[in-house]
Amino acid sequence: GAGVSQSPSNKVTEKGKDVELRCDPISGHTALYWYRQSLGQGLEFLIYFQGNSAPDKSGLPSDRFSAERTGGSVSTLTIQRTQQEDSAVYLCASSLEYVAGEQYFGPGTRLTVT
Amino acid sequence: AQSVTQLDSQVPVFEEAPVELRCNYSSSVSVYLFWYVQYPNQGLQLLLKYLSGSTLVKGINGFEAEFNKSQTSFHLRKPSVHISDTAEYFCAVSVSGSQGNLIFGKGTKLSVKP
Repeated sequence: GAGVSQSPSNKVTEKGKDVELRCDPISGHTALYWYRQSLGQGLEFLIYFQGNSAPDKSGLPSDRFSAERTGGSVSTLTIQRTQQEDSAVYLCASSLEYVAGEQYFGPGTRLTVT
Repeated sequence: AQSVTQLDSQVPVFEEAPVELRCNYSSSVSVYLFWYVQYPNQGLQLLLKYLSGSTLVKGINGFEAEFNKSQTSFHLRKPSVHISDTAEYFCAVSVSGSQGNLIFGKGTKLSVKP
């Protein structure tokens, strides 16, 4: 079946602009995760959704970052007033169960802030 | 807090040689352990996981790992590597009973030479 998809695959934006990154999880997966992969920081956890709820937003690096999930499916990660340090690959993963479940990763969105 | 240390950032080996990629973790609570692989320009793929039970776990592509609680290690091994195993390998933990987000090590780049 279809895996996790993310769009766009690449995004180049100017410093100060807002961007939206989209994640389509595997159908039926209730848990959804956002991670960021950058050269300096490695892979960092950003936020987790169980259904449409995000009980823990502490991984978001600043208040410029927000995320939502609708219908227990698609999720959008929004970065406002982008900065150069936001440049990274943003990965989305979904899981059938939120405890010890195997996470399936999407191909990522490569964000470059110029 | 939990942390994961991958002791080698790069491991070069010749084809058909054995390989061990080392991973140590730090946690005051029970954790689940994972190895993920990232092939060039692709997303993360689960190689294997340890949740409970037998400490020796077998994964895809001939890889295996052994959980050692006393040494807090989860080293990944393969008795004979192929050129196609060239990739970056990430060790990760999640806290049992938690929301399931993964805490990753910095990764080990495995380079298999003919």
